[in-house]
Amino acid sequence: QSALTQPRSVSGSPGQSVTISCTGTNSDVGGYKYVSWYQHHPGKAPKLIISDVSKRPSGIPDRFSGSKSGNTASLTIFGLQAEDEADYYCCSYAGTNGYVFGTGTEVTVL
Amino acid sequence: QVQLVQSGAEVKKPGASVKVSCKASGYTFTSYHMHWVRQAPGQGLEWVGIIKSDGASTLYAQKFQGRVTMSRDTSTSTVYMELGSLGSEDTAMYYCAREEPSIFYFDYWGQGSLVTVSS
Repeated sequence: QSALTQPRSVSGSPGQSVTISCTGTNSDVGGYKYVSWYQHHPGKAPKLIISDVSKRPSGIPDRFSGSKSGNTASLTIFGLQAEDEADYYCCSYAGTNGYVFGTGTEVTVL
Repeated sequence: QVQLVQSGAEVKKPGASVKVSCKASGYTFTSYHMHWVRQAPGQGLEWVGIIKSDGASTLYAQKFQGRVTMSRDTSTSTVYMELGSLGSEDTAMYYCAREEPSIFYFDYWGQGSLVTVSS
């Protein structure tokens, strides 16, 4: 099971929007509606920010938005803030293969 | 409140085994699945496997099959992950992460357990 493909890094100024793509296959991203996204600050535990492609858990700002088209899921951060600087990982259910994470994207706030 | 508290750092020699624990509290332990996820230095997150809420069903990522075992002790609400035949490539932070059955995401994570494999 290969990792889902994400851009290595994206950056934006405060207030701008950035979008992170997550490309898989028909056996994972394209085959299920179970894509989740995690924010990971170094030295801390990953934090769930999006579930089921586009649902935000309680307490997650509506600046975070998820979507999916075909084999590619996307996370958009609107109105970028300094505290959004972190690594972001997508994750997809992959049926009998379990789960697969993306390669990770470093978000830098300029 | 939900808490997943993991065991401390371990240093192991190549070829050895390591057993990492994850003690759960704040919820009904037997009603949730538990996953293990690892992150090697400078690398991304990698799913290792799951022990399901029934305690008997497990599923491991193909690359770990044959050398990983996940188990649990309901009397102490603790989940274990044992990884054998360690190599330097197994040096990583290992996280446990909870899943409510059939929701397909991880809502709570442990703080991580660092495993270092070095001769």
